[in-house]
Amino acid sequence: NAGVTQTPKFQVLKTGQSMTLQCAQDMNHEYMSWYRQDPGMGLRLIHYSVGAGITDQGEVPNGYNVSRSTTEDFPLRLLSAAPSQTSVYFCASNGDGSYEQYFGPGTRLTVT
Amino acid sequence: GDSVTQMEGPVTLSEEAFLTINCTYTATGYPSLFWYVQYPGEGLQLLLKATKADDKGSNKGFEATYRKETTSFHLEKGSVQVSDSAVYFCALGPRQGAQKLVFGQGTRLTINP
Repeated sequence: NAGVTQTPKFQVLKTGQSMTLQCAQDMNHEYMSWYRQDPGMGLRLIHYSVGAGITDQGEVPNGYNVSRSTTEDFPLRLLSAAPSQTSVYFCASNGDGSYEQYFGPGTRLTVT
Repeated sequence: GDSVTQMEGPVTLSEEAFLTINCTYTATGYPSLFWYVQYPGEGLQLLLKATKADDKGSNKGFEATYRKETTSFHLEKGSVQVSDSAVYFCALGPRQGAQKLVFGQGTRLTINP
């Protein structure tokens, strides 16, 4: 039981490049979320999903796309990276009615 | 919208000292409240929770009481250890479940031996 896994662990992009951050969970959780963590700002919700085929925007969705084709996977896409997207990205999941979100280890992204 | 405000860090204490990290919130309705902890290089882990007014959450010697009248959820521990050094986040969520959490800015705690 691996929990929530994220790849890659570190990534450096140039402005304008695109990439996908991968997130997978093996706990059969319905809910999955993406957060970004910036110094002094805590974690902010980017996008979330309440089940396969259903996604919605969080607090800071601009510049990011998501899809949820399976229960297990919830990738986050940056279509055209900008320096303002330099951050640490966390994926999380929780089961229906559960009060605990399980977090992945994070991806540290630098955009130059 | 909903928001969470934590005391400014960093906080540095000696081992066995008493710890308080203040957290206040603004929310519509009756949210659930959480404390998460992030150890160096890791993701966040749930430390404790409270789902209604006057509930006390506790875990690993940490406690926090859901105070609706003061909209607060302060984290306390009577005697901290070096292993408690981490970043602590206060968060609120909907009444049922833990999706769409709103986090405070985090408080970095360092415990010196």
